[in-house]
Amino acid sequence: EVQLLESGGGLVQPGGSLRLSCAASGFTFSSYAMNWVRQAPGKGLEWVSGITGSADNTYYADSVKGRFTISRDNSKNTLYLQMNSLRAEDTAVYYCAKAERFGERYYFYFDYWGQGTLVTVSS
Amino acid sequence: DIVMTQSPDSLAVSLGERATINCKSSQSVLYSSNNKNYLAWYQQKPGQPPKLLIYWASTRESGVPDRFSGSGSGTDFTLTISSLQAEDVAVYYCQQYYRNSGFGQGTKVEIK
Repeated sequence: EVQLLESGGGLVQPGGSLRLSCAASGFTFSSYAMNWVRQAPGKGLEWVSGITGSADNTYYADSVKGRFTISRDNSKNTLYLQMNSLRAEDTAVYYCAKAERFGERYYFYFDYWGQGTLVTVSS
Repeated sequence: DIVMTQSPDSLAVSLGERATINCKSSQSVLYSSNNKNYLAWYQQKPGQPPKLLIYWASTRESGVPDRFSGSGSGTDFTLTISSLQAEDVAVYYCQQYYRNSGFGQGTKVEIK
């Protein structure tokens, strides 16, 4: 059974940093691209970032480019999101999500999601 | 960026009746080399993460009831719930994965 478990959320001041983690199990982690998607309170979904299975390619939404860094440790089956220079508008539940793969191609639609971790940016 | 716009923002449908949600992309999400539309649909219930319903615009995810169907091509897409059940009350999102990823604003479906 595929499981994704996010952690690391919490309250942080504007301008601060936070690192989120997502522990994966139930599938060959290194074979799949992974992503972060966030949802501000009462709002819709916003794709944040993605990373290929071997971590050779990373992708970011314009809203976080230059401030957030996605990474992964395939030996630990764990996905990370380093968030710097946090702003109030980054307040959201952050989900990690597994992307699909056919052959050597990744497709960024998401068949498994974690339960999310809440990040609150406030003074 | 590809902008995804859903309509309506909300709709109320009687039990057993049809619900139709539209999604329009600001540019085509049809990839000519494989003739596939890079469009997915998700269902999100309160307090839960989203659930994948449809991918490639019309392929139903395993375990999804066949009352859910997707159609469309290029820039215009539709999610149809053929006979609304009480458990279908949720917010529905379309998503393009043609260029990175991006979601529509969501459509809230309620019982009339």
